[in-house]
Amino acid sequence: DAKTTQPPSMDCAEGRAANLPCNHSTISGNEYVYWYRQIHSQGPQYIIHGLKNNETNEMASLIITEDRKSSTLILPHATLRDTAVYYCIVRVDSMYNAGNMLTFGGGTRLMVKP
Amino acid sequence: GAGVSQSPSNKVTEKGKDVELRCDPISGHTALYWYRQSLGQGLEFLIYFQGNSAPDKSGLPSDRFSAERTGGSVSTLTIQRTQQEDSAVYLCASSLGPIDWGVKGNTIYFGEGSWLTVV
Repeated sequence: DAKTTQPPSMDCAEGRAANLPCNHSTISGNEYVYWYRQIHSQGPQYIIHGLKNNETNEMASLIITEDRKSSTLILPHATLRDTAVYYCIVRVDSMYNAGNMLTFGGGTRLMVKP
Repeated sequence: GAGVSQSPSNKVTEKGKDVELRCDPISGHTALYWYRQSLGQGLEFLIYFQGNSAPDKSGLPSDRFSAERTGGSVSTLTIQRTQQEDSAVYLCASSLGPIDWGVKGNTIYFGEGSWLTVV
């Protein structure tokens, strides 16, 4: 699986958009980009995923560059409750891949400040 | 409950003792995963169960770790002769089936974790 690189930490003012970058320069054509977050002392929570096109749901937007080598997770109006560690994962689309598990790296620690 | 349930939520044990951690997946979910997360680290895959297939144990760090899943539902992770480096939060997750990455909404749902401290 492709490796991802994320900044270790970021700050964001409450009410402003939080833009979390992720580099995945070795991503292959059948790998999806997934974002999860983990709020302190809770289990990881799914946010959004995509392959090529930009995606939006009730939680966030995902912008994937045309060459797919990087992506940005956007929280449009960050709140204090969005303070968490955000994980970017790329994963091959194969239901026969053992476990289809999501193995997380260090992620980005987002601190939303009032 | 509607989510993945784990017990105990917190466990303090003495070095050398055995511990058992329990996971109740979401009803109807055939796939069950165990992960662990040490302080300040990312998630580490441990083991994966899918239906009646042989589990993927490739992530178990040593033969002190084992897991079983009875009746395709509840799972127990057992750590024998615990060591201090086993201290971590152990997360269980489940999904409806093998993850189909192309299907939106088919995601892996995590429990709140079992916090294990070995002293």
